[in-house]
Amino acid sequence: ELKVEQNPLFLSMQEGKNYTIYCNYSTTSDRLYWYRQDPGKSLESLFVLLSNGAVKQEGRLMASLDTKARLSTLHITAAVHDLSATYFCAVVYIAGGTSYGKLTFGQGTILTVHP
Amino acid sequence: GAGVSQSPRYKVAKRGQDVALRCDPISGHVSLFWYQQALGQGPEFLTYFQNEAQLDKSGLPSDRFFAERPEGSVSTLKIQRTQQEDSAVYLCASSLFGSAEAFFGQGTRLTVV
Repeated sequence: ELKVEQNPLFLSMQEGKNYTIYCNYSTTSDRLYWYRQDPGKSLESLFVLLSNGAVKQEGRLMASLDTKARLSTLHITAAVHDLSATYFCAVVYIAGGTSYGKLTFGQGTILTVHP
Repeated sequence: GAGVSQSPRYKVAKRGQDVALRCDPISGHVSLFWYQQALGQGPEFLTYFQNEAQLDKSGLPSDRFFAERPEGSVSTLKIQRTQQEDSAVYLCASSLFGSAEAFFGQGTRLTVV
């Protein structure tokens, strides 16, 4: 059974500071997503990471993937208030070497950026 | 439409009532997923369709939950005899094919009172 764990679950950051959210998963997968969710809204895709060593950056967010360690990180640089949201990682489930895109999500990290 | 559309956006049901939640996927998308998101939790997989075929329903929590996609486009998630623990946001997602990126709808927030 695929398990996905994020930490921390709650993150209170000061504007301008840097921090990293971690996502560990338990079995082999070929794709990992990071999503953002604002209160009462649906999931917004931020990044999809496909291979070992993959790194993607968009604005103040950078995501990386280490498939050997089964670990992904979401790094926040110089946080601003607009980044306050809940962030989820999600891993594609593979069974018998095939995948149809079923996602297993982490618990989510609630990020609050304050002045 | 441009994105995945779900209706209603909000539903309040009395315990024991049956409900039906609708999902209109992106046109041409073969794969359709339903997820359940309880308050403060990550979404959890319910079921998966490839066209009209329901290929995985392993996440449906009980036999009160039933999903269909009869013509391979619109899907309906039905919950019979709702209970308080069914209160959650139900998210629908579609993708062009199985391994492609899925796009999520706005969700239906179900509250059972």
